[in-house]
Amino acid sequence: NAGVTQTPKFQVLKTGQSMTLQCAQDMNHEYMSWYRQDPGMGLRLIHYSVGAGITDQGEVPNGYNVSRSTTEDFPLRLLSAAPSQTSVYFCASSYTRTGGSYGYTFGSGTRLTVV
Amino acid sequence: GDSVTQMEGPVTLSEEAFLTINCTYTATGYPSLFWYVQYPGEGLQLLLKATKADDKGSNKGFEATYRKETTSFHLEKGSVQVSDSAVYFCALSSFSGGYNKLIFGAGTRLAVHP
Repeated sequence: NAGVTQTPKFQVLKTGQSMTLQCAQDMNHEYMSWYRQDPGMGLRLIHYSVGAGITDQGEVPNGYNVSRSTTEDFPLRLLSAAPSQTSVYFCASSYTRTGGSYGYTFGSGTRLTVV
Repeated sequence: GDSVTQMEGPVTLSEEAFLTINCTYTATGYPSLFWYVQYPGEGLQLLLKATKADDKGSNKGFEATYRKETTSFHLEKGSVQVSDSAVYFCALSSFSGGYNKLIFGAGTRLAVHP
């Protein structure tokens, strides 16, 4: 099925560990982004990419790295996990930066707990 | 900076009741406005959108009108169903710092009982 696929769905990390959240889309979307969702705060943009090889920071980028080597994939790396990074992470993609007529397509999320 | 404020939840209604979820925004320029819905265990889905003042977005019985004079984009549905139980997010698209991004409200949880 076409869409945005995120793995894993759940993850528990110890403080200081590193890991990569995977995101893949098969819609040939140029624009991809990562959000984190925290209670009472909506979704906040971590990093985004406007095409292969081009990435930039959003509003809460500290502690995260991204790369975009292909149009399809946009992994998010946690360099040294901290309890403050406990959150639900969503990957989203769209044809354009504004989402166009169809908006953004979101993955089903990764629930991360850092202990 | 740009921001979105939604009414706090949870909102609890009986089936067939009328729904209103309030959303107001602060923005420079003329943003597009969106409502997204998140069903349990899933990602967000675009519910409806409006791109300019007085536009009305509609989908699945839900409606919202872009009111520039009151900077509002309230979500309404005339008769809710149990299947409408979800979290609803109001959002605007903002161009700042050289890029476009979606700015979300905190979300409003809706629970509909039979």
